[in-house]
Amino acid sequence: GENVEQHPSTLSVQEGDSAVIKCTYSDSASNYFPWYKQELGKRPQLIIDIRSNVGEKKDQRIAVTLNKTAKHFSLHITETQPEDSAVYFCAATSPRSGGSYIPTFGRGTSLIVHP
Amino acid sequence: NAGVTQTPKFRILKIGQSMTLQCAQDMNHNYMYWYRQDPGMGLKLIYYSVGAGITDKGEVPNGYNVSRSTTEDFPLRLELAAPSQTSVYFCASSWTENYEQYFGPGTRLTVT
Repeated sequence: GENVEQHPSTLSVQEGDSAVIKCTYSDSASNYFPWYKQELGKRPQLIIDIRSNVGEKKDQRIAVTLNKTAKHFSLHITETQPEDSAVYFCAATSPRSGGSYIPTFGRGTSLIVHP
Repeated sequence: NAGVTQTPKFRILKIGQSMTLQCAQDMNHNYMYWYRQDPGMGLKLIYYSVGAGITDKGEVPNGYNVSRSTTEDFPLRLELAAPSQTSVYFCASSWTENYEQYFGPGTRLTVT
């Protein structure tokens, strides 16, 4: 099955700096790569996603890049703000035995933005 | 729309007891999922369903059972609770595969 590795597990930055979180995946058939943000005590919520036919996607301060050859994708947050502090999860969606595409999540990155 | 709802929010079980975690969605989504979240371990898929009457195992199905008799509801059954099942459980739904998942608020379960 799919294996997703996420690094770093913790990332501490100063307000205004950029933050980059990287994920690798193992199944070359994976075709959808979402990123979720989970604030303390809350539910995960989608912040950005990318499909395998696209190399980069941007939404204001957030961008995601995908390298299918190397099987890795990254989340980039520019001009970080204290409200960006949260745990971020990547996921890769791959086909299961029944044919459905199901996500496998990374272990998460705790981002801390210091004012 | 209420989105994805879960009950209860908190529960303490004794070893060997059973319980059902309830999950419902009002978005007419076909796909529904159950995850458990342990500290530092991300979200592990327990079971998923691609439509009413169709369920399949995820990564960590042992000790759990599910059913999907309607599009809206996807209950998770714990039989013979064990301390290893202490976790936060999230239910999620999506319109179809390869689309955004909407998560419920979670159920924090402690087994002692």
